[in-house]
Amino acid sequence: NAGVMQNPRHLVRRRGQEARLRCSPMKGHSHVYWYRQLPEEGLKFMVYLQKENIIDESGMPKERFSAEFPKEGPSILRIQQVVRGDSAAYFCASSPLGYTEAFFGQGTRLTVV
Amino acid sequence: QQQVKQSPQSLIVQKGGISIINCAYENTAFDYFPWYQQFPGKGPALLIAIRPDVSEKKEGRFTISFNKSAKQFSLHIMDSQPGDSATYFCAAVGSGSRLTFGEGTQLTVNP
Repeated sequence: NAGVMQNPRHLVRRRGQEARLRCSPMKGHSHVYWYRQLPEEGLKFMVYLQKENIIDESGMPKERFSAEFPKEGPSILRIQQVVRGDSAAYFCASSPLGYTEAFFGQGTRLTVV
Repeated sequence: QQQVKQSPQSLIVQKGGISIINCAYENTAFDYFPWYQQFPGKGPALLIAIRPDVSEKKEGRFTISFNKSAKQFSLHIMDSQPGDSATYFCAAVGSGSRLTFGEGTQLTVNP
């Protein structure tokens, strides 16, 4: 059973470009969470999704950030018009329906130059 | 309140010693308390977790102690090894299944 798969592992974008981060949850998991980790800091919740539904997006910045988890395919975290402050590690986690144990992917390290 | 406060920020222990990391929370709706271990460049990995209906849980060298009335919980690593050197995060989960993390403790175990 493969773990949570995130790609790309590393992503470099110039200021103003778009960043797309992908997350495939563990098999059988229908809940996906995105977290952001700034250098030398803890993990901050961004958004919680189930298939085709955003359950909680209270941690998402109001502008430029969006997330989706379509019926088919991976969950996508999209950052439009990136700025240097978006440079961080973005982690995806998944959990089974109705269970609180969450498993994390290896993360995508975004660098904005 | 959604905060989880973790201390110390960094910890240096000699090989064979006991590492102790503490966390405190305010939201009484939290009902699941996991600890994660993170190595540089890797994602957090679930280490051990506890629910508030028990006061202690032990798995190998790792023990969680939980004090519901004080709203505090701690991780004890017995016989600490250099391979335990990592960043440890406590977390809490309430309704909505989202994890609220502490700020992390960077543990260094000297050989």
